[in-house]
Amino acid sequence: AQSVTQPDIHITVSEGASLELRCNYSYGATPYLFWYVQSPGQGLQLLLKYFSGDTLVQGIKGFEAEFKRSQSSFNLRKPSVHWSDAAEYFCAVGAADISNFGNEKLTFGTGTRLTIIP
Amino acid sequence: DGGITQSPKYLFRKEGQNVTLSCEQNLNHDAMYWYRQDPGQGLRLIYYSHIVNDFQKGDIAEGYSVSREKKESFPLTVTSAQKNPTAFYLCASSTGRYQASYTFGSGTRLTVV
Repeated sequence: AQSVTQPDIHITVSEGASLELRCNYSYGATPYLFWYVQSPGQGLQLLLKYFSGDTLVQGIKGFEAEFKRSQSSFNLRKPSVHWSDAAEYFCAVGAADISNFGNEKLTFGTGTRLTIIP
Repeated sequence: DGGITQSPKYLFRKEGQNVTLSCEQNLNHDAMYWYRQDPGQGLRLIYYSHIVNDFQKGDIAEGYSVSREKKESFPLTVTSAQKNPTAFYLCASSTGRYQASYTFGSGTRLTVV
């Protein structure tokens, strides 16, 4: 079964500084990977996704992520954070559910809470 | 605009009562999902459905029940058998096909009083 690890529970960065959120996955085949963002009391919004091809993917709000197969990682980056980026970030890995006709389901990490200081 | 609607946003329940959370989507998505979110534990899958009149247990289905009588609707019932029901509940939908991303509702916060 697939799994996702987000090793950083909470990260604090200064506004304007660069950001990297870590995500490691475990999956036997080629995964497809997502990053979602959640504001307090809200649902999750898709930031970006990786399926295949170019290992550097661009997303919304100036975020990007790099897929590194050798490290089983899919880290999220932003060159300069804004106060509005304060939120919780979730990495997810998708896989076919062989118990359900191969239909897909996502497994989420435990999230990283991002705090921005002025 | 298409999307997912969860209602109510806040729900209070007395111990021993069943309560039903609503989830409706107008995205014409085949698949729908229910997740429970607790601080520090991320999202845990309760139930999911890829087709009308069929659903599967997720990782933490005990104490919960669902139905999928219509493509647009996937209500979740939190029964009195659920020992610790206070949590934030998220509904999501997708096309269900390979590599599909999820669209999430805005959640329901359930509190047992």
